[in-house]
Amino acid sequence: AQTVTQSQPEMSVQEAETVTLSCTYDTSESDYYLFWYKQPPSRQMILVIRQEAYKQQNATENRFSVNFQKAAKSFSLKISDSQLGDAAMYFCAYRRPYTGANSKLTFGKGITLSVRP
Amino acid sequence: GAVVSQHPSWVICKSGTSVKIECRSLDFQATTMFWYRQFPKQSLMLMATSNEGSKATYEQGVEKDKFLINHASLTLSTLTVTSAHPEDSSFYICSAQDGGGGNTIYFGEGSWLTVV
Repeated sequence: AQTVTQSQPEMSVQEAETVTLSCTYDTSESDYYLFWYKQPPSRQMILVIRQEAYKQQNATENRFSVNFQKAAKSFSLKISDSQLGDAAMYFCAYRRPYTGANSKLTFGKGITLSVRP
Repeated sequence: GAVVSQHPSWVICKSGTSVKIECRSLDFQATTMFWYRQFPKQSLMLMATSNEGSKATYEQGVEKDKFLINHASLTLSTLTVTSAHPEDSSFYICSAQDGGGGNTIYFGEGSWLTVV
């Protein structure tokens, strides 16, 4: 079974600074998707970034980028120029590249990020 | 982008009654939807996988008779909490997979259930 581990329950960052959120996962499969989701106080799940395992290039979305280390099964999220609106709970998630029931997401425990003004 | 609508956003019900939560994919067809439960400051816990036209697949430890899931059409899945108890109070959130859109999974806005 696949597992996703986020070992840091909380982190804090100064506004405009950079922060890295850690995530490791375990799987025996070679093809899969990895995600970072943001959940603000509204509880809406917002997709931040997605990485396909077959792609060696790290995904980037504006101020958000990942460091995907497939051999180490590590998938960290870097937030640059942190903003107050980045304060939220962040979840790392794994998914197999299928449709139907086999496409369910496996989530880490999440990390609460606070941004200091 | 694709939208998944969940209704109601908030619901209060009395102990012993049943309450239904709807999850709709507004602009795509979803053969599979997922129902999660989330406690404060915790991760999403998958309750069941809802399959259009067939029975839902429940995760271990989830009571099938208490959390009834129906997926009668390609755009609608419902979760009915039967004989609700205060311990059922929680945040429930659904997601749906857009099979025609790169298999992306979209989340609903979630529903707060309070049982009094």
